[in-house]
Amino acid sequence: NAGVTQTPKFQVLKTGQSMTLQCAQDMNHEYMSWYRQDPGMGLRLIHYSVGAGITDQGEVPNGYNVSRSTTEDFPLRLLSAAPSQTSVYFCASSYSVQGYEQYFGPGTRLTVT
Amino acid sequence: GESVGLHLPTLSVQEGDNSIINCAYSNSASDYFIWYKQESGKGPQFIIDIRSNMDKRQGQRVTVLLNKTVKHLSLQIAATQPGDSAVYFCAESSNTGNQFYFGTGTSLTVIP
Repeated sequence: NAGVTQTPKFQVLKTGQSMTLQCAQDMNHEYMSWYRQDPGMGLRLIHYSVGAGITDQGEVPNGYNVSRSTTEDFPLRLLSAAPSQTSVYFCASSYSVQGYEQYFGPGTRLTVT
Repeated sequence: GESVGLHLPTLSVQEGDNSIINCAYSNSASDYFIWYKQESGKGPQFIIDIRSNMDKRQGQRVTVLLNKTVKHLSLQIAATQPGDSAVYFCAESSNTGNQFYFGTGTSLTVIP
């Protein structure tokens, strides 16, 4: 049972490049989410999904896309990277939104130059 | 948007003492609250949760208190240990949404 895995751990992009951050979980969780964490700040929700085929926007969705074709995977796509997207990105999963522990991945540290 | 804030950004305690970390929220519809611990370079880790129909919940060495009147919750850590040094976040959600809102965090340092 690997829990929540994220790849890559580190990434450097140039402004305008696109890339996909991968997230997978093997716990059969329905709820998955992506957060970004900036220095000295809490986590802000980017997008979330309550099940395969269903996604919705969080607090800060601009510049990011997601899809949920399977229960296990929830990739986050940066369409055209900007320096403002330099951050640490965390993926999380749980059985449901409330009442169940959210498990977080180890994070991806992204730098956009 | 939601507003979840912490009263103190840093907290230093002596090993063996009790720690209290506070959190304020502004949404009166919030009904589910979680405390997370984040160690350096790692993702947040669930500590304890509480629903709005409760005032207090205890775990192993941790207690969460919820005061809905003043929209305040706290995390108490008993007999604080060096391994408790981390950043602690509160998060809240309401039953009308599928989103969690996090506070900015309190950095706890345990002095041996």
